Amino acid sequence: AQKVTQAQTEISVVEKEDVTLDCVYETRDTTYYLFWYKQPPSGELVFLIRRNSFDEQNEISGRYSWNFQKSTSSFNFTITASQVVDSAVYFCALSDSGNTPLVFGKGTRLSVIA
Amino acid sequence: IAGITQAPTSQILAAGRRMTLRCTQDMRHNAMYWYRQDLGLGLRLIHYSNTAGTTGKGEVPDGYSVSRANTDDFPLTLASAVPSQTSVYFCASSPFSGPGGNEQFFGPGTRLTVL
Repeated sequence: AQKVTQAQTEISVVEKEDVTLDCVYETRDTTYYLFWYKQPPSGELVFLIRRNSFDEQNEISGRYSWNFQKSTSSFNFTITASQVVDSAVYFCALSDSGNTPLVFGKGTRLSVIA
Repeated sequence: IAGITQAPTSQILAAGRRMTLRCTQDMRHNAMYWYRQDLGLGLRLIHYSNTAGTTGKGEVPDGYSVSRANTDDFPLTLASAVPSQTSVYFCASSPFSGPGGNEQFFGPGTRLTVL
């Protein structure tokens, strides 16, 4: 069975600090896909990134970066120089290669304080 | 219409009443999904449909039913609402155009309160 664990329920940081959101996954599949979504206070869910299991290169997009490590089954998300607008709930999700629906973690609520 | 629309935006419902949450997408995506979001529990899949005419059960299907008569619409029905169905409901779709890993696009959500 697939499972996604986001052990951090809530994180609070001061603006301009770096913050890492942890995501640990479980799957028996050798081909799978990992995702991060952002849910700001307005409530909509915004796609951030998708990574397949064969691509372990880290990815950087502006202040956002993702570290995928198959050896530890982790797909962590780092925000550099956090801003108040980064305050949101962040979800990590997993799907296998069979077009099954995404399995979501319970989310991490990030509060960035000015 | 652009993307996914959901109706109503919010609803207060008496227990025992029947309610249908509507979801429409204009992206011609094959797959559609219904999730509920509850504090501390994240997003849990209720039902899904990989293509028009087919549906499947998710993690928490009891008390809910769906239909997929065409590509664009995926209504979720609560036959007899109970207070535990108070939640925010999200509809989503994905292209389902090949091997797994399709990004899901989400609607704005419906906030449902069952009294």
